[in-house]
Amino acid sequence: KAGVTQTPRYLIKTRGQQVTLSCSPISGHRSVSWYQQTPGQGLQFLFEYFSETQRNKGNFPGRFSGRQFSNSRSEMNVSTLELGDSALYLCASSLAGTSNQPQHFGDGTRLSIL
Amino acid sequence: KNQVEQSPQSLIILEGKNCTLQCNYTVSPFSNLRWYKQDTGRGPVSLTIMTFSENTKSNGRYTATLDADTKQSSLHITASQLSDSASYICVVTNFGNEKLTFGTGTRLTIIP
Repeated sequence: KAGVTQTPRYLIKTRGQQVTLSCSPISGHRSVSWYQQTPGQGLQFLFEYFSETQRNKGNFPGRFSGRQFSNSRSEMNVSTLELGDSALYLCASSLAGTSNQPQHFGDGTRLSIL
Repeated sequence: KNQVEQSPQSLIILEGKNCTLQCNYTVSPFSNLRWYKQDTGRGPVSLTIMTFSENTKSNGRYTATLDADTKQSSLHITASQLSDSASYICVVTNFGNEKLTFGTGTRLTIIP
């Protein structure tokens, strides 16, 4: 069974640009969550999608947005990039939601802002 | 404010030795507590998930304990191996809104 796939693995952008990251969950998983990981802050929750609807949202500015498609694949978009957006962006999927079910993480997209 | 604190921040031990990582939390109401292992350059991998009623759970050489009264958890690693070198992250879930609160992790290094 294929794991969670995130593309691209690495990305370099400049300030002011926008970026779209992609996440393909494990087959049959309907919940997809996104996280930002930085050395200083650790893992921080961005948002969770379930059946194409945003079910939960973290404390990030509106420049961070996402969506989920009918096949459960998800994309995350960051507009007007800032230097502080440099981070590892992780996606995790689970069958129906965080609850007591394990989350399966992808290996992330490493985003560097110049 | 919901918080998860892990200690120590980093730990270096010799291969073959045992070690224990700590996690203290203030998250309430409590749903479950998870331990993840994250290798450098990879995503986290789930080790254990513990609910309120469980006080010990094992996964191979990893044993997690939970004391819901004192809001403390520990992860014990037995007979460490070089492949145990990683960051270990404690995550606590809120009951009701299912929000996750992450610790900043313990960086474990095993030396031969």
